[in-house]
Amino acid sequence: GQSLEQPSEVTAVEGAIVQINCTYQTSGFYGLSWYQQHDGGAPTFLSYNALDGLEETGRFSSFLSRSDSYGYLLLQELQMKDSASYFCAVREEAGTALIFGKGTTLSVSS
Amino acid sequence: DADVTQTPRNRITKTGKRIMLECSQTKGHDRMYWYRQDPGLGLRLIYYSFDVKDINKGEISDGYSVSRQAQAKFSLSLESAIPNQTALYFCATSKRPSNEQFFGPGTRLTVL
Repeated sequence: GQSLEQPSEVTAVEGAIVQINCTYQTSGFYGLSWYQQHDGGAPTFLSYNALDGLEETGRFSSFLSRSDSYGYLLLQELQMKDSASYFCAVREEAGTALIFGKGTTLSVSS
Repeated sequence: DADVTQTPRNRITKTGKRIMLECSQTKGHDRMYWYRQDPGLGLRLIYYSFDVKDINKGEISDGYSVSRQAQAKFSLSLESAIPNQTALYFCATSKRPSNEQFFGPGTRLTVL
């Protein structure tokens, strides 16, 4: 079967750095994506990794190691507005839909 | 702005009733998806469609059906609603070859 594992909750303070890990077991792998969701709102796309390595977009970076079936989302200079749920998602094949993890709730305090 | 819209935004219904949730998009995307979200369970795929003549089951399609009436419209039906279908439902779109999915605002469905 397929599974994506990520921590259920992470807490941090403003200005800190936090890493949210995602390990996956899927029948195929075509890329790892990250989405952000604020309190029941629409999930929004953050990043996509198809190849090993680090992708940086402003304060957010995403990393992938295909050999380890592992990736992470790195959030730097945390702000209160970063308090949200973060989901990793895998596409198993080119012509299939995303499979999402259960999400990590990030709470940022002052 | 090109957008993904869902109607209704909230719905309360009774067990056994037929319910249709509608999704429309003005993004010109060819691919559309229906997800269900329950607390602690993330987003689970119900059905997806890569063009008007293409319908695919997701991981939790039992009890649901869909219709892709046009490239811009994708409807989800619950033929006979049951309480464990109470959830937040999201429609999403994407455009080949992009990997980014755009989500609608969601429909909160309660089945009593």
